[in-house]
Amino acid sequence: GAVVSQHPSRVICKSGTSVKIECRSLDFQATTMFWYRQFPKQSLMLMATSNEGSKATYEQGVEKDKFLINHASLTLSTLTVTSAHPEDSSFYICSADLAGTETQYFGPGTRLLVL
Amino acid sequence: EDQVTQSPEALRLQEGESSSLNCSYTVSGLRGLFWYRQDPGKGPEFLFTLYSAGEEKEKERLKATLTKKESFLHITAPKPEDSATYLCAVQAFTGGTSYGKLTFGQGTILTVHP
Repeated sequence: GAVVSQHPSRVICKSGTSVKIECRSLDFQATTMFWYRQFPKQSLMLMATSNEGSKATYEQGVEKDKFLINHASLTLSTLTVTSAHPEDSSFYICSADLAGTETQYFGPGTRLLVL
Repeated sequence: EDQVTQSPEALRLQEGESSSLNCSYTVSGLRGLFWYRQDPGKGPEFLFTLYSAGEEKEKERLKATLTKKESFLHITAPKPEDSATYLCAVQAFTGGTSYGKLTFGQGTILTVHP
């Protein structure tokens, strides 16, 4: 139980294009989902907290107009990297909060490479 | 500001050589301390949640313990398949409720040689 999926697992795009990453909780409903970014050999940095039906809460230093988050249902949150640039290349990981456990279950991650 | 420091940064063990990983933390009010395992190129896999000092949890060769300032992840007779990065994270209370934010440590890279 508590399985989270992400799609795509890997994406390569040209500079200036937008990329959408989907995060789904497959066997549970998640009122809250989280988006993290991880650089090589570094730990996870929280980008934003996404609540179903409301606006996302962004961490300090994260541009909300560049990283658009939509949490349209209790099982789906999307992260759109708008006008991507090479410095946006990173490993993006989502997690979903299993209600009643205070535990976040993570997706497998999406590797983004911007050329 | 919540802070989590893990040590050592890297640990090399021989198969069967038991050891411990450390997670020191400072948090305004601890709601939970979490241990995750992360394999290269994958998302973190949940291992344990600890809520109060003195609590212990076990899973196969792993045992997690918690004090008011730190947590230990004990690995007994490790096998090569235990090789991974082990991440510690804390979740704090926020005004009586928590919106679930986790603050992660840098992780300990564990390598177990056969």
